[in-house]
Amino acid sequence: QKEVEQDPGPLSVPEGAIVSLNCTYSNSAFQYFMWYRQYSRKGPELLMYTYSSGNKEDGRFTAQVDKSSKYISLFIRDSQPSDSATYLCAIHENNDMRFGAGTRLTVKP
Amino acid sequence: DTAVSQTPKYLVTQMGNDKSIKCEQNLGHDTMYWYKQDSKKFLKIMFSYNNKELIINETVPNRFSPKSPDKAHLNLHINSLELGDSAVYFCASSQNRLAVTQYFGPGTRLLVL
Repeated sequence: QKEVEQDPGPLSVPEGAIVSLNCTYSNSAFQYFMWYRQYSRKGPELLMYTYSSGNKEDGRFTAQVDKSSKYISLFIRDSQPSDSATYLCAIHENNDMRFGAGTRLTVKP
Repeated sequence: DTAVSQTPKYLVTQMGNDKSIKCEQNLGHDTMYWYKQDSKKFLKIMFSYNNKELIINETVPNRFSPKSPDKAHLNLHINSLELGDSAVYFCASSQNRLAVTQYFGPGTRLLVL
């Protein structure tokens, strides 16, 4: 079993839709939870991260962590075609980072 | 100014050859990483260096040898290339070994024929 499980998709939504991306993880020692966005043929870039459980909001993006169920979510409101990318969840602790497989998202105009 | 740069961007080579990929960061970070991303987009850490010292060495064949001449540079040398080495290799850096945010380079697409 991989440490971080993520549905690879692909996921296709119309512009303006609310997108929900999810991951589960197995090691409860990890305290930092991140979402990276990777455009085609580019390196991943950090979108946002949360520490421990709870929500974090940044514009149209909301990250949610439920440590009791080891579940990580990213919500995108009012999705735009420019949000089309692969989204990778990651868990981090003491220089150790583990990535999910990434979900490929397409937002159609 | 590019924060994390890699050369070359593309590398096509024959099985059995030896090749190197170079990485440089101008962010003043202490820690650098090499990741491998396979065809299914799965990103996996290979090595991490902190101030030129190897701190993470995942289960990677001995044919892969990282080298950090200084803390701004981390190179990856691959001996006797195999078909399964075909992937995108990403370099990344972070402020220190505990920092959560990592900054990735543009990747080097390696194709072994």
